[in-house]
Amino acid sequence: GAVVSQHPSWVICKSGTSVKIECRSLDFQATTMFWYRQFPKQSLMLMATSNEGSKATYEQGVEKDKFLINHASLTLSTLTVTSAHPEDSSFYICSAASRGGLYEQYFGPGTRLTVT
Amino acid sequence: GESVGLHLPTLSVQEGDNSIINCAYSNSASDYFIWYKQESGKGPQFIIDIRSNMDKRQGQRVTVLLNKTVKHLSLQIAATQPGDSAVYFCAEKKSPGNQFYFGTGTSLTVIP
Repeated sequence: GAVVSQHPSWVICKSGTSVKIECRSLDFQATTMFWYRQFPKQSLMLMATSNEGSKATYEQGVEKDKFLINHASLTLSTLTVTSAHPEDSSFYICSAASRGGLYEQYFGPGTRLTVT
Repeated sequence: GESVGLHLPTLSVQEGDNSIINCAYSNSASDYFIWYKQESGKGPQFIIDIRSNMDKRQGQRVTVLLNKTVKHLSLQIAATQPGDSAVYFCAEKKSPGNQFYFGTGTSLTVIP
């Protein structure tokens, strides 16, 4: 149980285009989802906290207009990277916290974004 | 965020030896900590957790020690195996929120 999927697993896009990444909790309801980004050989940086049915809370320094987050249901959150640039190339990872779960987070497999 | 890593420390151990991975956390208000293992190109996997009211917790082949005085966590892996090769991160949660902030990470290589 407690499986989180991400789609796509990798994506290449041209500079200036937008890319949407999906995060799904497959066998549980996730009231809260988190989005992280990770550069090569670096740690995970929390970008934002996504609560179902409400606006996401962004960490300091993360542009909310560039990284659009939508948590439309208890099993799906999406991250859209708008007007992508090469410096947005990174590994994007989501995690989901189950309703009733204390602080457990279940991580997705990540999405590798390359902007050319 | 809280702790942000710019460099990835490395640790090499012989198969069968014990490994100790250290983590300094940043916030004295953090009340819950988790160690994660991340293999290349994958998401983090939960290893073990510890609350701030504890100083030691043991799992299968792993032990986490917490020293709140110096804001230090360690992960001990007994009889390290090649499959343990990965990057290990500690993550801290600051009360009262439920966000986790990751430490720098340590790359563990097990030499057969």
